[in-house]
Amino acid sequence: GAVVSQHPSWVICKSGTSVKIECRSLDFQATTMFWYRQFPKQSLMLMATSNEGSKATYEQGVEKDKFLINHASLTLSTLTVTSAHPEDSSFYICSAREREWKETQYFGPGTRLLVL
Amino acid sequence: QQQVKQSPQSLIVQKGGISIINCAYENTAFDYFPWYQQFPGKGPALLIAIRPDVSEKKEGRFTISFNKSAKQFSLHIMDSQPGDSATYFCAASSTTASKLTFGTGTRLQVTL
Repeated sequence: GAVVSQHPSWVICKSGTSVKIECRSLDFQATTMFWYRQFPKQSLMLMATSNEGSKATYEQGVEKDKFLINHASLTLSTLTVTSAHPEDSSFYICSAREREWKETQYFGPGTRLLVL
Repeated sequence: QQQVKQSPQSLIVQKGGISIINCAYENTAFDYFPWYQQFPGKGPALLIAIRPDVSEKKEGRFTISFNKSAKQFSLHIMDSQPGDSATYFCAASSTTASKLTFGTGTRLQVTL
């Protein structure tokens, strides 16, 4: 149980285009989902917290107009990187928290984004 | 006050040995301490977690030791295996703030 999927697993795009990444909780309802960014050999950096049906809360220094987050249902959150640039290339990982178990976060497999 | 300090940065252990990774925190509001295992190119997977009302929790070969007064907790991997070679992250959160604060990670290599 507690499986989180991400799609796509990797994406290559041209500079200036937008990329959408989906995060789904497959076997549980997630009232809260989190989006992280991870650079090579570094820790996870929280970008934003999204609650179903409300606006995402962004961490300090994260541009909300660049990283658009939508949490339209209890099983789906999306991250859209708008007007992507090479410096946005990274490993993006989502996590979801079960409604009944407040602390535990289950992570998706990650999406590797390369912006050319 | 939100920091979680993790050490060592990297660790090499022989097969069958004990791997020990340490973390220290500052925020006394933290009340949930999970450990995650991450293989290259994959998302982190929850290994084991502890709350501060117990000093130790064991699941199979993995044990968390928790010292509330010192604000420290550690992961012990007994009988380490080559398949345990991965990056391990400690984390902490509080019930009032749901987000996890991660340590910097420890790259573990288990040699034959």
